[in-house]
Amino acid sequence: GQQVMQIPQYQHVQEGEDFTTYCNSSTTLSNIQWYKQRPGGHPVFLIQLVKSGEVKKQKRLTFQFGEAKKNSSLHITATQTTDVGTYFCAGHPSGNTGKLIFGQGTTLQVKP
Amino acid sequence: DGGITQSPKYLFRKEGQNVTLSCEQNLNHDAMYWYRQDPGQGLRLIYYSQIVNDFQKGDIAEGYSVSREKKESFPLTVTSAQKNPTAFYLCASRSPTGTSNQPQHFGDGTRLSIL
Repeated sequence: GQQVMQIPQYQHVQEGEDFTTYCNSSTTLSNIQWYKQRPGGHPVFLIQLVKSGEVKKQKRLTFQFGEAKKNSSLHITATQTTDVGTYFCAGHPSGNTGKLIFGQGTTLQVKP
Repeated sequence: DGGITQSPKYLFRKEGQNVTLSCEQNLNHDAMYWYRQDPGQGLRLIYYSQIVNDFQKGDIAEGYSVSREKKESFPLTVTSAQKNPTAFYLCASRSPTGTSNQPQHFGDGTRLSIL
């Protein structure tokens, strides 16, 4: 079946270090979305990428969508304790706009 | 997110009992979704509905049932056939169907435990 794999599952960093999570789909995606879930909370939408090779930035966060529209990454520069949480990628398979397939998530811990 | 209300926040189920989780939205969204979240496994889709009076099974529908009689409401029943129901259940909605570029908005979730 259609799968979205995300690595790593966990990442511990020292405050100020960079962090990257990677997302790979078994099928071509029409778009990819990124969500953040704080401990004890619910996922909150961060951003969406639609075009092949697209790069978007939100302050210290950089999001990329691969040329083949099958992979994506989220890079955080100079992490802060407020970045703690689980980051999920989620994609709509091409041709099916109803179903969103989530990756397993990457849980980020930041040591002050 | 504002606009999606899940209740109760915590729920306990006895063996052999059916329980229903409520999800209400006032965002006028056509599509609604139920996910189950277990530690380290991300979000798994249980059921989704793109329009009133219609719904589709997700990846782990066995032991669950839903209804979509009103646009605003998408209740999930965890039946006694679901042998491992302890999890965090998240409801989400999205506007409108046919437009894949819209994000999903999540409720605060319901934590279900077995007594």
